[in-house]
Amino acid sequence: AQRVTQPEKLLSVFKGAPVELKCNYSYSGSPELFWYVQYSRQRLQLLLRHISRESIKGFTADLNKGETSFHLKKPFAQEEDSAMYYCALSSLMNTGFQKLVFGTGTRLLVSP
Amino acid sequence: DAGVIQSPRHEVTEMGQEVTLRCKPISGHDYLFWYRQTMMRGLELLIYFNNNVPIDDSGMPEDRFSAKMPNASFSTLKIQPSEPRDSAVYFCASSWGALSAPIYNEQFFGPGTRLTVL
Repeated sequence: AQRVTQPEKLLSVFKGAPVELKCNYSYSGSPELFWYVQYSRQRLQLLLRHISRESIKGFTADLNKGETSFHLKKPFAQEEDSAMYYCALSSLMNTGFQKLVFGTGTRLLVSP
Repeated sequence: DAGVIQSPRHEVTEMGQEVTLRCKPISGHDYLFWYRQTMMRGLELLIYFNNNVPIDDSGMPEDRFSAKMPNASFSTLKIQPSEPRDSAVYFCASSWGALSAPIYNEQFFGPGTRLTVL
């Protein structure tokens, strides 16, 4: 069964420090992975997707199929990065529909 | 576009009462999703619709939960009777997607409804 694991509930760093939010997945097919973010008092929104190989707000995430990981990284954290981050796996069902499976989330707190 | 609209934003009710949560998806989107967010389990998919038809309701926890989508612009999630363990934030999301393409289309989330069952 497909599963997404985010081992850290809370990650606390100082401004300017590197950040790595861990995400591991379990999926028998070819995975499509995403990071969603929820800032305080804002809606959950897509941050980035692995297929795009993009950098958003300084964040990057590399899919490592060998380690079944999709860790989110940023070299220098900013206070405005403080938010709840969810890793998600898109699971293609045999009906042809996509189903999004989320991890339990990691709260990132960046202190001045 | 105001995005996905959910009402009410907060709901406090007593155990045993019926609760109805409402959602208006983004116009033109053909997928609608209901999620539940709790501290212990994170974000869980309860049910989703395509073109108003329920596709997968395997995430609905019990028969006390039901969801409908009578038209393309409105969906409800009902809990009857409600219990304290149903207390959570319930999110509605919508997306546009091709029926057969394994291409993920971004889901747009509503602000959520915080439900407290006493």
